Amino acid sequence: DGGITQSPKYLFRKEGQNVTLSCEQNLNHDAMYWYRQDPGQGLRLIYYSQIVNDFQKGDIAEGYSVSREKKESFPLTVTSAQKNPTAFYLCASTLSGRGETQYFGPGTRLLVL
Amino acid sequence: SQQGEEDPQALSIQEGENATMNCSYKTSINNLQWYRQNSGRGLVHLILIRSNEREKHSGRLRVTLDTSKKSSSLLITASRAADTASYFCATGSNTGNQFYFGTGTSLTVIP
Repeated sequence: DGGITQSPKYLFRKEGQNVTLSCEQNLNHDAMYWYRQDPGQGLRLIYYSQIVNDFQKGDIAEGYSVSREKKESFPLTVTSAQKNPTAFYLCASTLSGRGETQYFGPGTRLLVL
Repeated sequence: SQQGEEDPQALSIQEGENATMNCSYKTSINNLQWYRQNSGRGLVHLILIRSNEREKHSGRLRVTLDTSKKSSSLLITASRAADTASYFCATGSNTGNQFYFGTGTSLTVIP
């Protein structure tokens, strides 16, 4: 099966803790994206990457970090600097990052203990 | 920053009726896409319309685009209970590097 997987489905973070959300795709897509969705809201871009070892900040990158060491993987770390991390996090990919259809993972819900 | 704004924010209709939702955006676009999101799930792509197209159909979906008014509409005909979801428009910039999503329309189809 081709697609995008995200894990875990639910994640709990303690105060001062960094947590990492996983995103993997086997679609052979070059571009990958991380979005944050708050209740009743649209999606806001955190980071995106068009090629391996390169990524750019989106509109709300503060308190987050990413890496793109492999084409298939684009993990997102929510650092302790992100003071309001409770949200639904969605990973997506596109073939080349030139405005085509985005394919989304099932999401990870992050909650703060 | 979010570029698209959907209208209405919420829509409730009877099964079999048509549902229309609108999207307005602010700057020049390469294309506009519509996505559906069931509660607590990822987004699913519905349809893409390019900036040089005015209308596009896919099954029970009809999308229009008016670049002079910077607006688009999504029409779902003969709605079904399974169409209950949130619908988002997303615009691709001319550079093609980013997408901007609207705040969504929550559609409820009553059986």
